Amino acid sequence: EEQLVESGGGLVKPGGSLRLSCAASGFTFSSYSMNWVRQAPGKGLEWVSSISSKSSYIYYADSVKGRFTISRDDAKNSLILQMNSLRTEDMAVYYCTRNAGIKIDGYGMDVWGQGTTVTVSS
Amino acid sequence: SYVLTQAPSLSVAPGETATITCDGNNFGSQSVHWYQQKPGQAPVLVVQDDSDRPSRIPERFSGSKSGNTATLTIRRVEDGDEADYYCQVWESSTLHQVFGGGTKLTVL
Repeated sequence: EEQLVESGGGLVKPGGSLRLSCAASGFTFSSYSMNWVRQAPGKGLEWVSSISSKSSYIYYADSVKGRFTISRDDAKNSLILQMNSLRTEDMAVYYCTRNAGIKIDGYGMDVWGQGTTVTVSS
Repeated sequence: SYVLTQAPSLSVAPGETATITCDGNNFGSQSVHWYQQKPGQAPVLVVQDDSDRPSRIPERFSGSKSGNTATLTIRRVEDGDEADYYCQVWESSTLHQVFGGGTKLTVL
């Protein structure tokens, strides 16, 4: 079964850092582009970042650019989101998602993790 | 920034057809994808590439696109279809994934 499992969420103070991880299983992780998508409480879905297969292309939402860093470790079937300078508006459930293909563009997100919750509060 | 516009809510009686729309301004060159999110759950892809339905999704779900409007149609609506529905595209000029604001479908 194709599966994504996020971890690393928690409570952090404004200005702090957090590292989210996503463990992939049941498919050839290296063959797919991946994303982080977040959802603030009671709000809609917001794209955060994407990384292509082989990390050739990396993109960020304007709201996180310069503060968040996406990376992948294909040997460990793992996707990472390093979040620095966290703000209260970053508080959300963060989902790891798989694009249905090797490229970032043109594919839907066909596998989603269950999400990990990030709380930013003093 | 690029915006996808969805109506906030839609109410449909069981057995009827739900039509959920998503308005953009460059759909001619974009593939539109649709997601269903039930309360407390992660989203699920229900339509990709405008009209392609994943194998595990019931045939009652279909997608289409015309001009600057993409449409998700749910025929013979059931109680279990009550959820939030989001459209999404890859915006090539900004190199961003973009989600619509979501439509909350209520089954009366």
